[in-house]
Amino acid sequence: AQKITQTQPGMFVQEKEAVTLDCTYDTSDPSYGLFWYKQPSSGEMIFLIYQGSYDQQNATEGRYSLNFQKARKSANLVISASQLGDSAMYFCAMRENGLQGAQKLVFGQGTRLTINP
Amino acid sequence: DAGITQSPRHKVTETGTPVTLRCHQTENHRYMYWYRQDPGHGLRLIHYSYGVKDTDKGEVSDGYSVSRSKTEDFLLTLESATSSQTSVYFCAIRESGVLNEQFFGPGTRLTVL
Repeated sequence: AQKITQTQPGMFVQEKEAVTLDCTYDTSDPSYGLFWYKQPSSGEMIFLIYQGSYDQQNATEGRYSLNFQKARKSANLVISASQLGDSAMYFCAMRENGLQGAQKLVFGQGTRLTINP
Repeated sequence: DAGITQSPRHKVTETGTPVTLRCHQTENHRYMYWYRQDPGHGLRLIHYSYGVKDTDKGEVSDGYSVSRSKTEDFLLTLESATSSQTSVYFCAIRESGVLNEQFFGPGTRLTVL
């Protein structure tokens, strides 16, 4: 069974600093994908970034980048120049194959990030 | 905005009563999912659908059933609600093809007294 571990229940960072949110995963499938989602206090789930296991380069999306270390089975999210609006819950998730091409997501427990002014 | 709505958005019910949550999408996506979110657990998959009348169980399916009689609607039913089913329920969709990410609806907060 696939498993996602986020070891940081909470993180506190000063505004404008960079922050790294940790995520480790466990799978025996050579083809997999890793996702990060943001959940602000309003409750919606917002997709941030995706990394495929065969992607040659680390994924980047604006201020978000994914530090993908395949041998260590880690997929850490890096947020550069943090902003007050980055305060939220962040979830790492892994794709798991379902029937007929469906892709299920297995989530970690999440990390609550607080940006201090 | 992936055109996903959930209804109701909030519901309070009593133990033993049946409850149905609705997920509606407007963009003809093939794959639809129901997750529940509880403190300390992140989101966990309840059931998913890979087409009309095609569904499969997820990690935490006990006590839940689903139906998908048309592409746009995916219903989650609690036949006899229990307090352990108090949770926030999210519906999600995924397009087939290149795009991999799932897009989530706004969530339904269900309280079972």
